[in-house]
Amino acid sequence: GESVGLHLPTLSVQEGDNSIINCAYSNSASDYFIWYKQESGKGPQFIIDIRSNMDKRQGQRVTVLLNKTVKHLSLQIAATQPGDSAVYFCAERLLTTDSWGKLQFGAGTQVVVTP
Amino acid sequence: SAVISQKPSRDICQRGTSLTIQCQVDSQVTMMFWYRQQPGQSLTLIATANQGSEATYESGFVIDKFPISRPNLTFSTLTVSNMSPEDSSIYLCSVEAPDTQYFGPGTRLTVL
Repeated sequence: GESVGLHLPTLSVQEGDNSIINCAYSNSASDYFIWYKQESGKGPQFIIDIRSNMDKRQGQRVTVLLNKTVKHLSLQIAATQPGDSAVYFCAERLLTTDSWGKLQFGAGTQVVVTP
Repeated sequence: SAVISQKPSRDICQRGTSLTIQCQVDSQVTMMFWYRQQPGQSLTLIATANQGSEATYESGFVIDKFPISRPNLTFSTLTVSNMSPEDSSIYLCSVEAPDTQYFGPGTRLTVL
C-alpha cells in the first residue's frame, strides 16, 4: 500500500505483482508527459511518454494512462521485478511562449519491490 | 536518444568556494537545461541554456550564483558560486532531443 515517508510517498509491491504509480499534474495546457525512473546514485532515466492527444500508451511491461479531465497520469508496471525498485517521477511539459521544453516534475514515488 | 556525461560525478567543497560542472552530449542539441535535486526531493529547473544567447533563469535562481556557459551545441557548464551547505544537492544536466528529454548522471555536491 501507499504511505508517506519523510520525503517521498512509498509504494511497496511484491515481486510479480503489478504496480500502479499515480501523478496529478498542474497545467491543463501541458501537451506532453514523461515518466522517469531514478535509481539510487543515478540520473533520471526515460521510461515512457505520452502526448496530450492520447489517453493510453504501452511499452515493454509499462503502460501510461492520461486523464486530462482530472489532470491525472498513471504508470502501470506489469510483473514488477526487483530491478524496478527506484524512485519514479512524472513530468509535464509546460506549454507557454517562453517555456518550450521546460519540464515540471511531480514529487516522486519510491517503489520498493519485496520478494 | 542522447548520451550525456557530466564532470565531476561528485565533489566535496568548502563553503565560500565555487565549483564548475561540465555537461557534454554526444549530439548537437539546441536546448540544454540545468536542474537541482535536493536530498530526497524532486527536480527543480535552475535555467535553460541555448547556444548563442544568455541563459534564462527560473524564479529563485540568479546568474551571479549560478553562471552558465553554452559555447557550442554539445557542451555547457554550470558554476555554483560562493557555496554554502544549502547548495549541497545533485545537479543534473538535461537536453531536449527530437524524441524526448534526457538527463545526465548528475553531479553530487556536498558543501562543508
